[in-house]
Amino acid sequence: GDSVTQMEGPVTLSEEAFLTINCTYTATGYPSLFWYVQYPGEGLQLLLKATKADDKGSNKGFEATYRKETTSFHLEKGSVQVSDSAVYFCALSEIKAAGNKLTFGGGTRVLVKP
Amino acid sequence: EPEVTQTPSHQVTQMGQEVILRCVPISNHLYFYWYRQILGQKVEFLVSFYNNEISEKSEIFDDQFSVERPDGSNFTLKIRSTKLEDSAMYFCASRVSGGRQETQYFGPGTRLLVL
Repeated sequence: GDSVTQMEGPVTLSEEAFLTINCTYTATGYPSLFWYVQYPGEGLQLLLKATKADDKGSNKGFEATYRKETTSFHLEKGSVQVSDSAVYFCALSEIKAAGNKLTFGGGTRVLVKP
Repeated sequence: EPEVTQTPSHQVTQMGQEVILRCVPISNHLYFYWYRQILGQKVEFLVSFYNNEISEKSEIFDDQFSVERPDGSNFTLKIRSTKLEDSAMYFCASRVSGGRQETQYFGPGTRLLVL
């Protein structure tokens, strides 16, 4: 079945540091890929997405590129802020006749210190 | 901006009791989902619902679980006889269509504690 593997946290950074969170996937078909973010005490918010190979999703300074050859969708941000402290989830969705469910990775907690 | 809402935000129940978790999806959305997240673990798919029927369910979604869209706006998850291991955060999500470009939008979650 489909699965998503992402680096375990917590990741602790200083403000303005570079952030990378690795994400790799296995899928039987050709999935769409997503990064969701969960701020403390809140639900899941879509951060960015990519629906085909070599697409780059971007939002709020975060970027991720859909790499079909390495089955990866790594999240990057060049200069993090304290407000980026959250749990980040990589996810995939395969387009099927039924459901289009999301399959999530385990989440990576990021803590940015001032 | 339209958003998915869920009630209650927290629920505490005794083992063996029935609970109903409520969700109001975004109004023009057609696909509805329930996920759960046990504390410290990954978010897991429970069930998807389209055109007034279940389109897919996971092995977690056994006979103790059911979903319903009782009217044009609400989408509910019922757990008939709760177990300790049902304690989790339950998220509702919706999407407008089944296309590749479409995003699932999540509600803020209901934290369920079974004692």
